[in-house]
Amino acid sequence: GQSLEQPSEVTAVEGAIVQINCTYQTSGFYGLSWYQQHDGGAPTFLSYNALDGLEETGRFSSFLSRSDSYGYLLLQELQMKDSASYFCAVRDSGNFNKFYFGSGTKLNVKP
Amino acid sequence: NAGVTQTPKFRVLKTGQSMTLLCAQDMNHEYMYWYRQDPGMGLRLIHYSVGEGTTAKGEVPDGYNVSRLKKQNFLLGLESAAPSQTSVYFCASSLSQGSIYTQYFGPGTRLTVL
Repeated sequence: GQSLEQPSEVTAVEGAIVQINCTYQTSGFYGLSWYQQHDGGAPTFLSYNALDGLEETGRFSSFLSRSDSYGYLLLQELQMKDSASYFCAVRDSGNFNKFYFGSGTKLNVKP
Repeated sequence: NAGVTQTPKFRVLKTGQSMTLLCAQDMNHEYMYWYRQDPGMGLRLIHYSVGEGTTAKGEVPDGYNVSRLKKQNFLLGLESAAPSQTSVYFCASSLSQGSIYTQYFGPGTRLTVL
């Protein structure tokens, strides 16, 4: 089966840097994705890591270590609009069409 | 270009009633998915489709049926609704396998079963 763990809530101040961790236990692994979801909204794709290392997209970066079954999302220069829930998700290597999501980390950005 | 749309946005059902949720996408995506999201939890895959005329079970398929008669539409049916099916339902679509890691989500349907 698949199991993903994320902290339930993180608080940071505007302008700061915050890291949201995700550890996973999977029977197979094909890649780690990150999604953002504002309250009452739909999830939107942020980033994807198939290989070890850092992927950077503007203020957001995502890191993966397959040997540690661990990844994180790094948000820099935090803005109030970054207040949202962030989900990590893995693809099932046995069936590329299946995705498993973590329970999400609620990020609160304070002035 | 509307992306992924879902109908209806809200619905209240009584136990035992049936309904169909409609998902439509105008991006010519091959793959479509139905998820449910319960309070404080992540998304769980109900059913998915890899192309017109095909469907497959996800993580939590019991109590739901789906159909993909047209490439752009993916329907989710509840034959006999139960309170445990109270949830927010999201539809998603993605391109073929080369970039399957990017899913585009609809706005969601908030369903309450009394």
